[in-house]
Amino acid sequence: NAGVTQTPKFRILKIGQSMTLQCTQDMNHNYMYWYRQDPGMGLKLIYYSVGAGITDKGEVPNGYNVSRSTTEDFPLRLELAAPSQTSVYFCASSYATGVGTNEKLFFGSGTQLSVL
Amino acid sequence: QQQVKQSPQSLIVQKGGISIINCAYENTAFDYFPWYQQFPGKGPALLIAIRPDVSEKKEGRFTISFNKSAKQFSLHIMDSQPGDSATYFCAASMRGTGNQFYFGTGTSLTVIP
Repeated sequence: NAGVTQTPKFRILKIGQSMTLQCTQDMNHNYMYWYRQDPGMGLKLIYYSVGAGITDKGEVPNGYNVSRSTTEDFPLRLELAAPSQTSVYFCASSYATGVGTNEKLFFGSGTQLSVL
Repeated sequence: QQQVKQSPQSLIVQKGGISIINCAYENTAFDYFPWYQQFPGKGPALLIAIRPDVSEKKEGRFTISFNKSAKQFSLHIMDSQPGDSATYFCAASMRGTGNQFYFGTGTSLTVIP
């Protein structure tokens, strides 16, 4: 199993450009997440999905969009990139068996994004 | 607003010593408290976790101590090794929130040989 795979690993964007961060998992997990990690700030949840076709906002969703058309894939779209979106982005997945069951997160290796 | 507060921001420990990282929370609805370990260039990985029905959980050299009344929990690393040098994040989650986790700001641990 590859686990959670993120691409690209590094990217530099100019202000105003757009891009999609790819995330795929091969563990048949129903839950998927996007976090951003900034120095001294920990990890902040951007968006999450509890299954194909279902997505919801996390703590810091502004400037991002997501879709979940399959169980395996959960791409994150940045529209009109801004310097404030310079960060390390982590995709994660988990298998939750129902309401009230918290399961461990499996993280990808991250995408380092710079917006200049 | 930081839902989970973590300290210290950085920690230097001699090999063989005890590393202690503390976290505090306000929301009493949190019912699951994991610790994640992150090495440079990698994603975080689950280290150990606890639920509030127990006050302590031990796995090898790693122990979580949980104080429900004080709304605090801590990670103790016994006999710290250079290979333990990493960033550690505490987190908390609650039932019925889509499995959302709220992370602390992280502690960079350096174990000196």
